[in-house]
Amino acid sequence: EVQLVESGGGLVQPGGSLRLSCAASGFTFSSYWMSWVRQAPGKGLEWVANIKQDGSEKYYVDSVKGRFTISRDNAKNSLYLQMNSLRAEDTAVYYCASSWYRWGQGTLVTVSS
Amino acid sequence: DIVMTQTPLSSPVTLGQPASISCRSSQSLVHSDGNTYLSWLQQRPGQPPRLLIYKISNRFSGVPDRFSGSGAGTDFTLKISRVEAEDVGVYYCMQATQLRITFGQGTRLEIK
Repeated sequence: EVQLVESGGGLVQPGGSLRLSCAASGFTFSSYWMSWVRQAPGKGLEWVANIKQDGSEKYYVDSVKGRFTISRDNAKNSLYLQMNSLRAEDTAVYYCASSWYRWGQGTLVTVSS
Repeated sequence: DIVMTQTPLSSPVTLGQPASISCRSSQSLVHSDGNTYLSWLQQRPGQPPRLLIYKISNRFSGVPDRFSGSGAGTDFTLKISRVEAEDVGVYYCMQATQLRITFGQGTRLEIK
């Protein structure tokens, strides 16, 4: 069974850091681009970042450039999102996705004092 | 970045009747490889998004044939031939022609 399972969300103060993880199973993780997509409460979908199969190319939405870093470990079938200098507007459910037909259930990140 | 604009933002529909959602991109979505990477996703309440249509008109596995996609270049349409109760949710168009992915604002489909 194909699964993407996110973890690492939680409550963090403004300026703080979190590292999200996405554990993949049931497909050849190393063969696919991977993405992070977020959804603020009551809002639409926003692409955050994506990473090529071998990690050699990474792209970010402008609002997170310089603060977030996407990475992957193909040996561990895992995707990561290191989030630094968090702001209130980063509050959202964060989904990992592959090929746009594999989605995790999401992990909630709340940035608040 | 490519801007994706959906209309309408809300669509009340009677069960059994058709529904249509439009999506316009700020520039052509034709990739250099000749494909057009325009997809439609459905998000039911409390659920992650689900892929319905990819490359304009290809239904993903398990998607009912009442869903269809059409269009070209910068103008695209998702049609539901006969709306069922399970179709309630928010529909998003999405472009992946550029690696900096963008989504439309979403169209909320509700039953009258």
